[in-house]
Amino acid sequence: DGGITQSPKYLFRKEGQNVTLSCEQNLNHDAMYWYRQDPGQGLRLIYYSQIVNDFQKGDIAEGYSVSREKKESFPLTVTSAQKNPTAFYLCASSRQGKSYEQYFGPGTRLTVT
Amino acid sequence: EDQVTQSPEALRLQEGESSSLNCSYTVSGLRGLFWYRQDPGKGPEFLFTLYSAGEEKEKERLKATLTKKESFLHITAPKPEDSATYLCAVEGGGADGLTFGKGTHLIIQP
Repeated sequence: DGGITQSPKYLFRKEGQNVTLSCEQNLNHDAMYWYRQDPGQGLRLIYYSQIVNDFQKGDIAEGYSVSREKKESFPLTVTSAQKNPTAFYLCASSRQGKSYEQYFGPGTRLTVT
Repeated sequence: EDQVTQSPEALRLQEGESSSLNCSYTVSGLRGLFWYRQDPGKGPEFLFTLYSAGEEKEKERLKATLTKKESFLHITAPKPEDSATYLCAVEGGGADGLTFGKGTHLIIQP
């Protein structure tokens, strides 16, 4: 079955530690995205990548970093510089170009204490 | 800046009681309007894409419509399994990525 996997489902970290969230897709999609979801707010775009070895900042990129070394993989690192890292993180992918629907993974809930 | 406003924030219906969810948007050059369903603790599930005013799409008990300023998600004779948060998002001609509304939390009581 084609789809998007995110791991782990739950992640706990101490303040000041960097943490990397995994996202893998086997849909053969060129574009991949990272969103953050907080209670009572809409999903907000962190980073996106339209092609391997290239990525762009979204609306709330500060405190995050990404890499896109393979078409299938788009890991997100939450650094210690992110002031409010506790959130539900969602990865998505789509065909390259405008107007194509994005398909989402199951999400990773990160808790930083 | 693209904006999406969904109403109501929450809606409680009896099983079989039809209703509509609203998504108002402002966007520079609409490329697409998307509806998703999200269950608690899970990723959004894609439902529909609408591209131009007057377009309609249906799937089981759901029907999505689009005008130049808003979209409606009509739910006909809903069942308890339709309970979820429904998200609306737009893609404009400017920035990449989707702009999401905050969602409508729908509860269908048996």
